[in-house]
Amino acid sequence: DTEVTQTPKHLVMGMTNKKSLKCEQHMGHRAMYWYKQKAKKPPELMFVYSYEKLSINESVPSRFSPECPNSSLLNLHLHALQPEDSALYLCASSRNTGGLNSPLHFGNGTRLTVT
Amino acid sequence: EDQVTQSPEALRLQEGESSSLNCSYTVSGLRGLFWYRQDPGKGPEFLFTLYSAGEEKEKERLKATLTKKESFLHITAPKPEDSATYLCAVQAAGNTPLVFGKGTRLSVIA
Repeated sequence: DTEVTQTPKHLVMGMTNKKSLKCEQHMGHRAMYWYKQKAKKPPELMFVYSYEKLSINESVPSRFSPECPNSSLLNLHLHALQPEDSALYLCASSRNTGGLNSPLHFGNGTRLTVT
Repeated sequence: EDQVTQSPEALRLQEGESSSLNCSYTVSGLRGLFWYRQDPGKGPEFLFTLYSAGEEKEKERLKATLTKKESFLHITAPKPEDSATYLCAVQAAGNTPLVFGKGTRLSVIA
């Protein structure tokens, strides 16, 4: 079992819906990440939070809105998505950003389908 | 620009047939090289971190090695349960995000 928990495991939403993805970790990590992964491709970084502050936004469209309520929780709010946004959305955490001995620990993702 | 290239793209082995996966990298100031295993529909699972040339790490049938230009993931006497996609990622100097390779899809046939 992974120590990063993501809910829901699967989500189907229409292009006019608003939904949220949730991520939780209790390893005391201070950096949290959202990645998007398409089939047979590596994960693509979307956002990085460091000490609950947004530190990196990889030019992600505004229909994706991240939120970090506290050091253990990370949300991704979704609104007016397009079918091409269908993918596996992965949350990850690490002890800190850019530090030595600070590998990413991933959750098992939310499989999102936009109809 | 930091780059990571993994080869082969796909590898099919018979059970017990040892082989190696390659990860070549170009990065300004390597802080760490990471190997992950990913099963279909799951998130990547952390395997190893390597920091400096000459370093080696082992876990069961897997052994990772690092030179100044590349890393190898050696798989000794693989079993069908070793079938997965193996991802390599590098961390460059500074507070930069990981750069992932495209992965090697390994299939081990009984």
